[in-house]
Amino acid sequence: QKEVEQNSGPLSVPEGAIASLNCTYSDRGSQSFFWYRQYSGKSPELIMSIYSNGDKEDGRFTAQLNKASQYVSLLIRDSQPSDSATYLCAVRNSGAGSYQLTFGKGTKLSVIP
Amino acid sequence: DVKVTQSSRYLVKRTGEKVFLECVQDMDHENMFWYRQDPGLGLRLIYFSYDVKMKEKGDIPEGYSVSREKKERFSLILESASTNQTSMYLCASTQGTDYGYTFGSGTRLTVV
Repeated sequence: QKEVEQNSGPLSVPEGAIASLNCTYSDRGSQSFFWYRQYSGKSPELIMSIYSNGDKEDGRFTAQLNKASQYVSLLIRDSQPSDSATYLCAVRNSGAGSYQLTFGKGTKLSVIP
Repeated sequence: DVKVTQSSRYLVKRTGEKVFLECVQDMDHENMFWYRQDPGLGLRLIYFSYDVKMKEKGDIPEGYSVSREKKERFSLILESASTNQTSMYLCASTQGTDYGYTFGSGTRLTVV
């Protein structure tokens, strides 16, 4: 059973701070990794994808991947109250069923004004 | 932008009713998925489809079936709705292994 683990939170950070969200996964053969943002009552929205070890930056968001440690993280710089949401980590399954993503249960982020 | 449209935002159905949830995507994606999302349980895969008329069971298929007669449309069917099927239902599609999913806006189903 492929697993993706996230700290459920809530993670509270003050406005303007860096929020750090973490994720570990069990499928050692996974090659594609995604972060989704989900506002309360809404559907998940893709915000970042990463495929290679290292960092990938997009605006205030940075995704970090370490395949050897089976670890993915998302950094949000200059956090804003509008960033308050649940963040889902998703990992593409390797091998059979490789179109499937396995999702973590999400980390709830609260940015305090 | 890829659009995944779910026909209903909110539904209230009675126990024992047959319920149809419709999902349509407009970007010619071959791969489509149905999930349900419940507090504390996260996203759970019900069924998925890689091609027209093709379907595969996910992790929790019991009590559900699906239909994919056309590439753009993937329907979830609750054969006889029960109260434990009250949930948020999310449809998603993707064009390939290097792409994430695009989700529809979701259908919040309440079975009374």
